[in-house]
Amino acid sequence: RKEVEQDPGPFNVPEGATVAFNCTYSNSASQSFFWYRQDCRKEPKLLMSVYSSGNEDGRFTAQLNRASQYISLLIRDSKLSDSATYLCAVNPNTGNQFYFGTGTSLTVIP
Amino acid sequence: EAGVAQSPRYKIIEKRQSVAFWCNPISGHATLYWYQQILGQGPKLLIQFQNNGVVDDSQLPKDRFSAERLKGVDSTLKIQPAKLEDSAVYLCASSPRSRFRGSSYNEQFFGPGTRLTVL
Repeated sequence: RKEVEQDPGPFNVPEGATVAFNCTYSNSASQSFFWYRQDCRKEPKLLMSVYSSGNEDGRFTAQLNRASQYISLLIRDSKLSDSATYLCAVNPNTGNQFYFGTGTSLTVIP
Repeated sequence: EAGVAQSPRYKIIEKRQSVAFWCNPISGHATLYWYQQILGQGPKLLIQFQNNGVVDDSQLPKDRFSAERLKGVDSTLKIQPAKLEDSAVYLCASSPRSRFRGSSYNEQFFGPGTRLTVL
């Protein structure tokens, strides 16, 4: 079983829509969780850290569900500029590994 | 603040040749990471340095890959000899501090990557 799994999509949504991605992780002891954004042929850039209490930044909300071992990213009022691949990253806390998911592709359509 | 620098940006080689990549992390960042990102996949950690010491190289194919971080600043990643399946983007990242027991990671800042094509 992979450490981190994501639905690769693609997700094609109209402007203004709300879209949500989930990312499941296998190690229940995992402590640190992140969402990264990666534009085509660019490097990943941190979008949000995911705290136990959830985290909101403008149109973006990240949540952690420890019981079901997944993190989520919600994007409200989607913009064309939100089109990218969204990677989740998890630190299992059993070493120094830092696992990334395969990424979820989002395209926001005019 | 200058970001993570990597060179070259692109490299095309034939299989069985050797190649080296260079990374200069953000000034003052103690931790440096090398990742391999194959098309359609997420980054996979190859090796992590804390200053000039190796913290984790469990996923580094040591029969052909090597990396060093002399003086705890710049780092080089080498592949010798290259195989077709090594075609990927090699990303370098740095963060201000390492993970110590009980503390959380700081943000990892990625460089632009080196796109390697092995023919």
